[in-house]
Amino acid sequence: QSVLTQPPSVSGAPGQRVTISCTGSTSNIGAGYNVHWYQQPPGIAPKLLIYANNNRPSGVPDRFSGSKSGTSASLAITGLQAEDEADYYCQSYDSSVRGWVFGGGTKLTVL
Amino acid sequence: EVQLVESGGGLVKPGGSLRLSCTASGFTFSTYTMNWVRQAPGKGLEWVASISSSSTYIDYADPLKGRFTISRDNAKNSMYLQMNSLRGEDTAVYFCVRDDYPLGTFDIWGQGTKVIVSS
Repeated sequence: QSVLTQPPSVSGAPGQRVTISCTGSTSNIGAGYNVHWYQQPPGIAPKLLIYANNNRPSGVPDRFSGSKSGTSASLAITGLQAEDEADYYCQSYDSSVRGWVFGGGTKLTVL
Repeated sequence: EVQLVESGGGLVKPGGSLRLSCTASGFTFSTYTMNWVRQAPGKGLEWVASISSSSTYIDYADPLKGRFTISRDNAKNSMYLQMNSLRGEDTAVYFCVRDDYPLGTFDIWGQGTKVIVSS
């Protein structure tokens, strides 16, 4: 059971918009800690996608965006492309466990 | 090119030990906090341990305290993970990860090294 909760899977057709939620608690996201998102294609190491809630590293398309509110955060992907098929993970800090925590991951399927 | 390369993984029997290494290049290693993150087969990401730039601050995931030891040698641009009393549930790919402290962003990942604990 992950400290941060994500849906196991989401799907969408090419060109569509999907969102992935990340639900935490008052000891992590709700305590004001930043949320980061990672993309992991099959068999490849994770890659930073969104940092500090809503910032994109250079090279990440603006089709990817992040938001945070209360004890939750969301990743939105617009204009879905086949290459977006991957697992997506949220990450934050948790003061109860005193360490970095990840969501369980969400598998995105592009139909 | 900024790069992290892990090594040292392999097959080990339950109760055995293994030492993983991570060699950094392309950036000033001595100024960055570093982490180990693992991923069991078919499972999600799990933070293992963190070490600050000068080794002053070291943290471990609670379940791993006492069995795993993180260390670094800035002169060799290297970080290590000593794993003792290994169990089947430690079977995973272990990633070396750079930490953009204080944001806590894991901005650079190695390709990972696989550890299999089995008799």
